[in-house]
Amino acid sequence: QITLKESGPTLVKPTQTLTLTCTVSGFSLSTDGVGVGWIRQPPGKALEWLALIYWDDDKRYSPSLRSRLTITKDTSKNQVVLTMTNMDPVDTATYYCARRRGSGWYYFEYWGRGILVTVSS
Amino acid sequence: QSVLTQPPSVSGAPGQRVTISCTGTSSNIGAGFDVHWYQQLPGTAPKVLIYGNNNRPSGVPDRFSGSKSGTSASLAITGLQAEDEADYYCQSYDNSLSGRNWVFGGGTKLTVL
Repeated sequence: QITLKESGPTLVKPTQTLTLTCTVSGFSLSTDGVGVGWIRQPPGKALEWLALIYWDDDKRYSPSLRSRLTITKDTSKNQVVLTMTNMDPVDTATYYCARRRGSGWYYFEYWGRGILVTVSS
Repeated sequence: QSVLTQPPSVSGAPGQRVTISCTGTSSNIGAGFDVHWYQQLPGTAPKVLIYGNNNRPSGVPDRFSGSKSGTSASLAITGLQAEDEADYYCQSYDNSLSGRNWVFGGGTKLTVL
């Protein structure tokens, strides 16, 4: 059974750096074709793709947030970590991690339940 | 501003048919990249409804169907049911000067009257 679970702080202050962890089970982050990404959703608003890391450590970032994002993975811990610098109240959102289906597919087949992060002083 | 454009809302009575459009550009849908659709029920994570333009994952009723033509795609729901009331998002892949990116539509809220 494939599962993903987000963890991290639910409240951060403006200008702080957010670090979120996605712990996965049921598959390996080093398996050929695997990709795990982060998507966020401000309250009442649309989904926004943030970043994705592939099994071979290739990384993709949203052009509008590239300068603030870093995505890494720790295969031994089955974890994908997203850091976002210089947090602002507009970054308040539910942050999801999700796994793409596999090589040749560019959609998210499995999703975590999400974590609501509030940015406030 | 989402890369893919969807109507903010659609509605229909039980039993009716509704469609949700998703309009892209020549760097995403028009470039031949697949369109995928997600259903998001209130308070839950999105769930894939249609993948690869017109494929349904196991467990998704055949009342849901997808199509794609040119720079646009559509999700059709027939025999509308109260449980279909949700937000729907299209998603594709974009290859432009800014690189290769995963892109979503702005979402469409479906109301079952």
